Amino acid sequence: DAGVTQSPTHLIKTRGQQVTLRCSPISGHKSVSWYQQVLGQGPQFIFQYYEKEERGRGNFPDRFSARQFPNYSSELNVNALLLGDSALYLCASSPWITDTGELFFGEGSRLTVL
Amino acid sequence: GESVGLHLPTLSVQEGDNSIINCAYSNSASDYFIWYKQESGKGPQFIIDIRSNMDKRQGQRVTVLLNKTVKHLSLQIAATQPGDSAVYFCAENILGFKTIFGAGTRLFVKA
Repeated sequence: DAGVTQSPTHLIKTRGQQVTLRCSPISGHKSVSWYQQVLGQGPQFIFQYYEKEERGRGNFPDRFSARQFPNYSSELNVNALLLGDSALYLCASSPWITDTGELFFGEGSRLTVL
Repeated sequence: GESVGLHLPTLSVQEGDNSIINCAYSNSASDYFIWYKQESGKGPQFIIDIRSNMDKRQGQRVTVLLNKTVKHLSLQIAATQPGDSAVYFCAENILGFKTIFGAGTRLFVKA
């Protein structure tokens, strides 16, 4: 069975540009979460979506937005990129919003902002 | 505020020895406490979790201990192997959907 898949795996942008990252959850999983992981730090919670609705948002500016599609895949958008947005962006899926703590992570999209 | 922190940034152990990774947390509303392992170039991988109403849970070669009195979580790895070398994160699951991660401990296993 396929795990969580993310695309692109690596990308380079310049300041002020916009980026869209994509995530496909494990089949049957209806919840998708996005995390930002800066080098040397733990993942920071950005968003959670369940059944196509935003269920949680972390402490990130409005430049960050996301959505979940009817097939439960998700996109994360970041506008007006800053150098500090350079990070590994992780997507995680889980079966239910109230399931155990387990999240299933993809291998991430590494964004470099120049 | 909510935070999950770790006592040591790195831990070096001899192959075959037991490893203990510690973590402090501050949010008492968490439903689950979880340990994840992250290898270089990969996303975090679930190891084991423990519900907030438990104090110990065992898995295969791993044991998690939860002390709510002092808000302390630990992961014990028995007979540590070279494949256990990675960064380990403690995390807490809040309200069933928001998972907060700590900064991580890098475990080095010496052959």
